[in-house]
Amino acid sequence: AQSVAQPEDQVNVAEGNPLTVKCTYSVSGNPYLFWYVQYPNRGLQFLLKYITGDNLVKGSYGFEAEFNKSQTSFHLKKPSALVSDSALYFCAVRDWETDSWGKLQFGAGTQVVVTP
Amino acid sequence: NAGVTQTPKFQVLKTGQSMTLQCAQDMNHEYMSWYRQDPGMGLRLIHYSVGAGITDQGEVPNGYNVSRSTTEDFPLRLLSAAPSQTSVYFCASSRQGHNEQYFGPGTRLTVT
Repeated sequence: AQSVAQPEDQVNVAEGNPLTVKCTYSVSGNPYLFWYVQYPNRGLQFLLKYITGDNLVKGSYGFEAEFNKSQTSFHLKKPSALVSDSALYFCAVRDWETDSWGKLQFGAGTQVVVTP
Repeated sequence: NAGVTQTPKFQVLKTGQSMTLQCAQDMNHEYMSWYRQDPGMGLRLIHYSVGAGITDQGEVPNGYNVSRSTTEDFPLRLLSAAPSQTSVYFCASSRQGHNEQYFGPGTRLTVT
């Protein structure tokens, strides 16, 4: 079975500082990994994904994430946070060896608060 | 493209009532799914479909039914609403394969 852990309920950062949102995963095979963002009273929006290849993945709005197989992590990063980055962030994983239908397992979410 | 649309946006039901949450997508995506979002629990998969006429259960299917008669539509039926089904419901769609899902705006359901 696949699982995702986001160890921080909330991350607080000052505008202009680096932002990191942590995610670790567990799958029996090889993972597909995703990050989504949810703004208040909205649906989830796709940020980026890791399928294969380069461990550093670049996505929307200046975000990037690094896949680390040995640490089973996929942390989301942004070099310089903006107040508008304040939102709820979800990490999700799919095990492409055991699940052919694209079912995603989501983490519990991390609330990011960026202060001016 | 309208993307993924959901109706209604808000709904209040009494225990025991039934209703259908509507979901439609205009992207010709094969894969559609329903999630519920509860505080501190992320999104949990209720049911999903890999194409018209094919559905399967997700993590929390009890109390819900789905059908997929067309590629575009994937309604979620609550058979007899219970307070435990108070939640925000999201529909999503994607192309098959390792593709990202597109989410609708959600339906906030309260069962009293």
